[in-house]
Amino acid sequence: VQLVQSGAEVKKPGASVKVSCKASGYTFSNHGISWVRQAPGQGLEWMGWITAYNGDTYYVQKYMGRMSMTTDASTNTAYMELRGLTSDDTAMYYCVREVTSISHDYWGQGTLVSVSS
Amino acid sequence: EMVMTQSPASLSVSPGERATLSCKASQSIGSNLAWYQQKPGQAPRLLIYGASTRATGIPARFSGSGSGTEFTLTISSLQSEDFVVYYCQQYNHWYTFGQGTKLEIK
Repeated sequence: VQLVQSGAEVKKPGASVKVSCKASGYTFSNHGISWVRQAPGQGLEWMGWITAYNGDTYYVQKYMGRMSMTTDASTNTAYMELRGLTSDDTAMYYCVREVTSISHDYWGQGTLVSVSS
Repeated sequence: EMVMTQSPASLSVSPGERATLSCKASQSIGSNLAWYQQKPGQAPRLLIYGASTRATGIPARFSGSGSGTEFTLTISSLQSEDFVVYYCQQYNHWYTFGQGTKLEIK
């Protein structure tokens, strides 16, 4: 199992960022994908979840309306877009595979998003 | 809103000794608790799920216990590579992480 994320991004305040997460080594539609972020020197924050099976999503309230998660079954890739970036969004963003009754087992390598004017 | 509280925030222990990390949930989560280890510059790694089941490849010196609202991660006979940060996470209702415990060398 591997989750390979897109590379680091540098954005201006107000911009949007779209991070990709390409899955391999398992049946993509059988597992959900969560997005977790970690600000510099801080803890882990779960942002939301999407199932590749039918595209159902769940967003943590603070990200509703500003975050979008999608999947592309043809390429086994999950995407997370975050809009209206501020410096507070500077963080490492991880995609993580969800396993029922286990929580999350495999993590992507992380994508560093830096927001600065 | 589910809140996961880890204590202590940091813990100093000597190599070879035992470390006990605590995690408390603001409401009952049954056994739906996972522990993760995060080394500097790396993604977290799943250690324990179901409160007490070690994930694949995790050494036997890591053990988890508890149910309901109170949980413990015990690391017996600490090795040098164990002095990193540990997070608990509930998955009874979606997901919530604790704030982490940093294990430091005494």
